[in-house]
Amino acid sequence: GQNIDQPTEMTATEGAIVQINCTYQTSGFNGLFWYQQHAGEAPTFLSYNVLDGLEEKGRFSSFLSRSKGYSYLLLKELQMKDSASYLCAVQNDYKLSFGAGTTVTVRA
Amino acid sequence: EAGVTQFPSHSVIEKGQTVTLRCDPISGHDNLYWYRRVMGKEIKFLLHFVKESKQDESGMPNNRFLAERTGGTYSTLKVQPAELEDSGVYFCASSQALFAPTDTQYFGPGTRLTVL
Repeated sequence: GQNIDQPTEMTATEGAIVQINCTYQTSGFNGLFWYQQHAGEAPTFLSYNVLDGLEEKGRFSSFLSRSKGYSYLLLKELQMKDSASYLCAVQNDYKLSFGAGTTVTVRA
Repeated sequence: EAGVTQFPSHSVIEKGQTVTLRCDPISGHDNLYWYRRVMGKEIKFLLHFVKESKQDESGMPNNRFLAERTGGTYSTLKVQPAELEDSGVYFCASSQALFAPTDTQYFGPGTRLTVL
């Protein structure tokens, strides 16, 4: 089975940094993906990790430790438009298994 | 480049009726996926096409759901007859490369299905 856990909600201030943790226990692993989803819109690809370590893409970074079944998404210099749901997903044999998502609210 | 498109954006039907959802993947993408998010739950995999062939349909809930991908282009997902528990948001995604399990999947905006 697949078990992917992430916090339900997080709140942060504009300009700050927020770290969204994701832990997983899955029957297989090809990679870990992070998506951003605004209400009523398509999930948008942010980042992915296949190997252990940190991947940096502008204001967003993602980290993976396969031995610990752990990943995090780091959002820096938060902007109001970053208020959204962030989805952690493990890919195994093409298909994605998702966590329930973390709603991030950015306050002025 | 156009993204993944889905039609309709919303559908409200009564229990027992039939509904057909359509997905147009990104041009040139051989892989097409269907996912579903039921209220309050996480997004779950339904099935995976490689071109016109069903590669994996392990997530299809029952035989009331039928997916097709004509000529390896657009795909349809038919629910017949619809039940109350089929309500949710149905997402389509596509990815480009064959034989690349970690290829990025790009999602459409989803079809919100409400069964009354």
